[in-house]
Amino acid sequence: QQQVKQSPQSLIVQKGGISIINCAYENTAFDYFPWYQQFPGKGPALLIAIRPDVSEKKEGRFTISFNKSAKQFSLHIMDSQPGDSATYFCAASMNSWGKLQFGAGTQVVVTP
Amino acid sequence: GAVVSQHPSRVICKSGTSVKIECRSLDFQATTMFWYRQFPKQSLMLMATSNEGSKATYEQGVEKDKFLINHASLTLSTLTVTSAHPEDSSFYICSAQLAGGYNEQFFGPGTRLTVL
Repeated sequence: QQQVKQSPQSLIVQKGGISIINCAYENTAFDYFPWYQQFPGKGPALLIAIRPDVSEKKEGRFTISFNKSAKQFSLHIMDSQPGDSATYFCAASMNSWGKLQFGAGTQVVVTP
Repeated sequence: GAVVSQHPSRVICKSGTSVKIECRSLDFQATTMFWYRQFPKQSLMLMATSNEGSKATYEQGVEKDKFLINHASLTLSTLTVTSAHPEDSSFYICSAQLAGGYNEQFFGPGTRLTVL
């Protein structure tokens, strides 16, 4: 069964707009929540990550919001640019475990 | 920092042959490396976890005799697809976990395997 559920499956946003991708998890033992960006034919690249002791983390135009009680976290891409067009994956893991559980991915297309 | 390389980036082979894919952490030591498989427009599927100096741990449904993994050093893991068949054609990606880090995994660029 999928331990991390990601939505939407795809997203089209205009240049300058905000892209929002949501993920939900069930396992309360997860304590590390990264987001990866993947371009076609390339490996995923770590974009930003958060731990459950904070509710928000911002790096440049990318922000993770984390809601521990709802077991949800989301990625916000502010001022979206055509170069942000890629597939984004959320993931979760436990420190004692190491393995990442990936969401299904969201294909983001930023139109000029 | 935290660069992971894979070699080759692309390989085409005939059915029945074996193919070896190398994964190297270039600027850090990785006690644990992971091997993933990804089909078009799908998420990453973990195949196995590889720890330096010990046998790999395979995920359920992954044939260990078909996908041989060797983690010879803190910077090198290899995946050998034995007796490859067309259904093994896929995008194979490795990742390396920073030793002493908090689960951060850094991914290689992937290897596109096509079996004719």
